Order: sequence, then structure tokens, then C-alpha cells
Amino acid sequence: GIQVEQSPPDLILQEGANSTLRCNFSDSVNNLQWFHQNPWGQLINLFYIPSGTKQNGRLSATTVATERYSLLYISSSQTTDSGVYFCAVAFDRGSTLGRLYFGRGTQLTVWP
Amino acid sequence: DADVTQTPRNRITKTGKRIMLECSQTKGHDRMYWYRQDPGLGLRLIYYSFDVKDINKGEISDGYSVSRQAQAKFSLSLESAIPNQTALYFCATSDQGQGRYEQYFGPGTRLTVT
Repeated sequence: GIQVEQSPPDLILQEGANSTLRCNFSDSVNNLQWFHQNPWGQLINLFYIPSGTKQNGRLSATTVATERYSLLYISSSQTTDSGVYFCAVAFDRGSTLGRLYFGRGTQLTVWP
Repeated sequence: DADVTQTPRNRITKTGKRIMLECSQTKGHDRMYWYRQDPGLGLRLIYYSFDVKDINKGEISDGYSVSRQAQAKFSLSLESAIPNQTALYFCATSDQGQGRYEQYFGPGTRLTVT
């Protein structure tokens, strides 16, 4: 069945540390997005990355579509990076085209 | 101004009441979606619409209905609210005319059913 698995479920870091979040998915995809949900509940688009590598400041992401995983890297973490990080995918099938399936998220806590 | 807006942002209602959540977008996208998020979980799809005349059920449509009044507006209704519909609700849009499937989310509506 359709699966989107994120790891680790929880991550606690000290400010300045680096981290890697992982997303595994069960089938070929035409969309993969990373989101940050802030403490107020808002979903912030981080990356649209169905394949390849992208960077935005201290954040970068890589998706290896053939091996069905994506990685989100956070470097020099700051307290404002705290929150939940979600991976969401849309699978490359006609019946589910365009529908996003979300993982359960990684809860990141960054201490000063 | 935000591209995807949701009203209300917060709502407390009582069991059995009818409630409507509204979503508007200025992105010109043809596709719109309603998701709900329960504590500790990712988002799950309630309904989606690929254009004004095309509305489809998602994973968890029971107890909900929708209306696509225009390309820019997509409303979600709870006909008779129950406590387990307490959740954070998100509207999203996408435009797949360019073969790009990225979705854009509104700020969310926090609904509490007592």
C-alpha cells in the first residue's frame, strides 16, 4: 500500500548543530514537498523536490527518486527551526494523481 | 496579501451544529483541496476539486461536504458537527498545467467541537 515514512520521529539538538531528516516512500512520485509547521500551526513550504538537489540558505534537500527517498538537511540550526517537518508526496498513478500523502513528521526541538 | 486565505481562523462550535469553513485563493489555480490534521499526525485528504465541475472524495470524506462556488472558492461544510471532528483544517491549491504538482497551503482553521 501507499506509505510515506519519516525518520526520526523526534530530534533534539543544541543550537548550531546540523541534522538530517529522512523520508521514504513506497512508489514512484511526481511531487515531493517538504514543509515546516511552526508552533502556530502554519505550514511553510520549504522545497518542491520530486528529484534532484536544492538549497535555500541553511536548508537543503535531495530526492533520489529511483531509490524512493528524500533527505532534508538543516545546518547550523537555530531555535526558530523548531517545529514539525513534514514530507508529502504525490504518487505517479492515474487514480491518485495530484493527491498529497503526508508522513507523520519529525518533531525538531532546538535548544539555545 | 496571502495567496490562499481561510475563514474563520479559529472556531468553537457545539455538537450537532452546522458549520462552514471557507477558502479563497488568488493564485489562479484550478485545483483545490481540503485536509485535516489531528494531533501527532500528518494531514489527510477530505475532498479535492480539479475544477468547478469536478469534485472528488478523499480518504476521510464521511461527515463532510464541499462546494466549489467558483474557481477561486472552495468551502467545506460539517452538516452536524461531532467532537471527533475537532482538528486543524487546511485548504490547498495547485496548478498542474505546467506539469508541476506543487501545492500551496492556507494558514489553517482550528476547529473545536464541544
